[in-house]
Amino acid sequence: NAGVMQNPRHLVRRRGQEARLRCSPMKGHSHVYWYRQLPEEGLKFMVYLQKENIIDESGMPKERFSAEFPKEGPSILRIQQVVRGDSAAYFCASSPRETNEKLFFGSGTQLSVL
Amino acid sequence: QKEVEQNSGPLSVPEGAIASLNCTYSDRGSQSFFWYRQYSGKSPELIMSIYSNGDKEDGRFTAQLNKASQYVSLLIRDSQPSDSATYLCAVKIGGGSYIPTFGRGTSLIVHP
Repeated sequence: NAGVMQNPRHLVRRRGQEARLRCSPMKGHSHVYWYRQLPEEGLKFMVYLQKENIIDESGMPKERFSAEFPKEGPSILRIQQVVRGDSAAYFCASSPRETNEKLFFGSGTQLSVL
Repeated sequence: QKEVEQNSGPLSVPEGAIASLNCTYSDRGSQSFFWYRQYSGKSPELIMSIYSNGDKEDGRFTAQLNKASQYVSLLIRDSQPSDSATYLCAVKIGGGSYIPTFGRGTSLIVHP
């Protein structure tokens, strides 16, 4: 049973380019969370999605960032016109239902903006 | 602003000792509490959850919760070098909020 799959593992972008981060939840999981982690800092919540719905995006920057979780396919976190401050590790987690207490995390995508 | 506070450490303990990791939280409505372990360069994994006041034991790990003091801790008995990692405290408010809020983590080093 595959775990939460994130790709790419490492992503390098130049300032102004777009970054697309993908997350496939565990089989049977329909809830996806995105977190960002900076060095020496904890996980900062960004967005919580169910299939075809954004439930809570209170942690998402208002500009340049967007997320989706389509009926078919992985969840996508999209960052437009990246800046150096976007460099971080982005983790995706999934759970089978909204009240499930345990989150299963993917291996993360390390985004580096040159 | 809902806050979860942890001492970033590092906390250094000798092999075989008890490691004590602490966490405080600001929201009195918090109902669920979790400890995640994160090895360097890896993803977090859940090791303990606790929901009511008191102690909860699982092998060498004991989670302690005191809601009146808004304090949750993790004790690791007989610490091993393989326990060296960052330990993240996470809190869920409940009542319709399903988003765990994480502390910045405490780095634990267990030296032989």
